[in-house]
Amino acid sequence: DIQMTQSPSPLSASVGDRVTITCRASQGIRNSLVWYQQKPGKALKLLLHAASRLESGVPSRFSGSGSGTDYTLTISSLQPEDFATYYCQQYYTTPLTFGPGTKVDIK
Amino acid sequence: EVQLVESGGDLVQPGRSLRLSCAASGFIFEDYVMYWVRQAPGKGLEWVSSINWNGGRIGYADSVKGRFTISRDNANNSLYLQMNSLRVEDTAFYYCAKDRFGSSDYYGMDVWGQGTTVTVSS
Repeated sequence: DIQMTQSPSPLSASVGDRVTITCRASQGIRNSLVWYQQKPGKALKLLLHAASRLESGVPSRFSGSGSGTDYTLTISSLQPEDFATYYCQQYYTTPLTFGPGTKVDIK
Repeated sequence: EVQLVESGGDLVQPGRSLRLSCAASGFIFEDYVMYWVRQAPGKGLEWVSSINWNGGRIGYADSVKGRFTISRDNANNSLYLQMNSLRVEDTAFYYCAKDRFGSSDYYGMDVWGQGTTVTVSS
């Protein structure tokens, strides 16, 4: 199975900060990676697929990069609505596996 | 509007069975792989199972293999999860999700339901 790790967790930041979350796979996943945002009481939201491709309707302050085993999610200027938990997930092979999540909270 | 609505969650005793349902609307259901994902209280996300458009490709997490069965009814735009021999560790919020791209392979989940709660306790 491919293990996914994320760092940091949690992450304390302020509105306007540039925030970077790292996701690492235990083996290469060839950019087969998505990022989700989870807020209490709301359905999970897909932010990016194929590591760096922004989903329709997702603000451009979100971006993704990486290759091989190491990937990042960056929020260029944190907004109040961005305080949430973020998960990466690989879809390179089954079992599909998620990272443990990174909670972004207010500093 | 694309929507997934789960139902069937309940409080059950260990060893009992439960069937979850997911009603889909707003998209061509048979065109997409569908998933079940769960989240134990205060924990992260765990893939449970997935099914391609015609049920010809099905996958399960090791933790549920042999106990859970995924199925779909394309005529009624519905996804199901039959859960047998339930264990305390199956207690979780269960989400239904839709693949973002296609009917046979996995590309990530772009639409999620609000979830249904399964509690296994004596």
